[in-house]
Amino acid sequence: AQKVTQTQTSISVVEKTTVTMDCVYETRDSSYFLFWYKQTASGEIVFLIRQDSYKKENATVGHYSLNFQKPKSSIGLIITATQIEDSAVYFCAMREGWSNNRIFFGDGTQLVVKP
Amino acid sequence: EAAVTQSPRNKVAVTGGKVTLSCNQTNNHNNMYWYRQDTGHGLRLIHYSYGAGSTEKGDIPDGYKASRPSQENFSLILELATPSQTSVYFCASGDEGQISNERLFFGHGTKLSVL
Repeated sequence: AQKVTQTQTSISVVEKTTVTMDCVYETRDSSYFLFWYKQTASGEIVFLIRQDSYKKENATVGHYSLNFQKPKSSIGLIITATQIEDSAVYFCAMREGWSNNRIFFGDGTQLVVKP
Repeated sequence: EAAVTQSPRNKVAVTGGKVTLSCNQTNNHNNMYWYRQDTGHGLRLIHYSYGAGSTEKGDIPDGYKASRPSQENFSLILELATPSQTSVYFCASGDEGQISNERLFFGHGTKLSVL
């Protein structure tokens, strides 16, 4: 079974609206780290935002925020006031435990922001 | 800004030939990773390393070897390349010891075609 699952293959929105991308994960560890990365059309992959499992507050960076629902093993990415340049593929990722350095990625969600 | 450089950017190889993909990082990160990305799939972990001299198998290590001769360099080796290894390969570095600043930095990818 996949450790990280993104069920939305593609999402299309109109610019300046808010979009939420879903991600569910599977782990038996009590401590884990969740990440979102963005891959642009050029192929570049960049880190966006991170949530530590032991933190109750949802992480926020710029117009990115997370909806962390621990009981549901869910970590949604919310992008507010979307812009054309937000069009990209978004990957959810997880690292389990404090000393395990393996990082698992989901299959990604393609976001298209239209004018 | 952290830098991860992959070479070559593009490679065409023949079936049965040996291919070496190189990765260099100037971040002084302990951990380095090799992922492959195929259409419809996310990033799948091939090999990773905790530091110079160490290599660990990821989720899809068959047909690949890795070498970490120094902190800065991490190579992926295909001893007998097959067409099924045609893909885009990404190298990344990270230092999960620095929890407050934990993230992966990716290279720009190597597009490998095995004919």
